[in-house]
Amino acid sequence: GQQVQQSPSSLVLQEGENAELQCNFSSTATQLQWFYQSPGGSLVSLLSNPSGTKHTGRLTSTTVTKERRSSLHISSSQTTDSGTYLCAREQGTGSKLSFGKGAKLTVSP
Amino acid sequence: EAAVTQSPRNKVAVTGGKVTLSCNQTNNHNNMYWYRQDTGHGLRLIHYSYGAGSTEKGDIPDGYKASRPSQENFSLILELATPSQTSVYFCASGRTSSQNTLYFGAGTRLSVL
Repeated sequence: GQQVQQSPSSLVLQEGENAELQCNFSSTATQLQWFYQSPGGSLVSLLSNPSGTKHTGRLTSTTVTKERRSSLHISSSQTTDSGTYLCAREQGTGSKLSFGKGAKLTVSP
Repeated sequence: EAAVTQSPRNKVAVTGGKVTLSCNQTNNHNNMYWYRQDTGHGLRLIHYSYGAGSTEKGDIPDGYKASRPSQENFSLILELATPSQTSVYFCASGRTSSQNTLYFGAGTRLSVL
C-alpha cells in the first residue's frame, strides 16, 4: 500500500490566505522531507524535518514522529507558490525516499 | 549549488527499441537515483546506486537496467521499450547520510509509441 499519504490532493486559495498540507506515513521515518515541484518542472527540496518544528521564510513544517505525520504550513500565500508539494520519507535504509502523490496548490490573485 | 543534468530532455522511442537515459552530477554525491513520475502514482523509485559500480533495484525495476560507470554518471536503460514506460523520468543525487537532501535533474519526458 501507499507508504506516504498526502492530503488534500488539491487546494485552491486566494493570494494572502494560508495553506496547510498534511502528510501521513505508514511507519516511523528517520528522514522526512518536503519538496516543491513547479508546473512541468523539477523538484526542489523545501525542508528536511524528521521531527519537531522547522521554519524557513513563510514555510513551517511540524513533524510528530510517533504519530507518523507531518504538516507544511504556507503563510500569506502568493501566486508564485502555485505548484505541487510532495512529502517524502526515508524508505528502510540507504537513504531511499518514498514519495507521496503530492498536493497541487493553486493560488489566485 | 548542486547540479544534476539529464539528457535527453525529451525522447520519442518506438516499441521494442532500446532507450538510454543519462544523468550527470557534479556534486560528488555517492548516491544517485532514478524515479519515474506518472499521474495518480507520484514518484516511484526504479533503480539507485551507492557509488561507482553499484546498482540496486528500487520498487519498480522490471523492464529497466541501470549503470553507474563513475561517481558522476548514472544511466537508465530500457532494452525493449514498451508504451507502459511512457513517463517523465527524474534523476537525483544525494549524500550517503540518512539526513541527506536529494537534488533532482530537470526530468526527461519519454514517449514510447
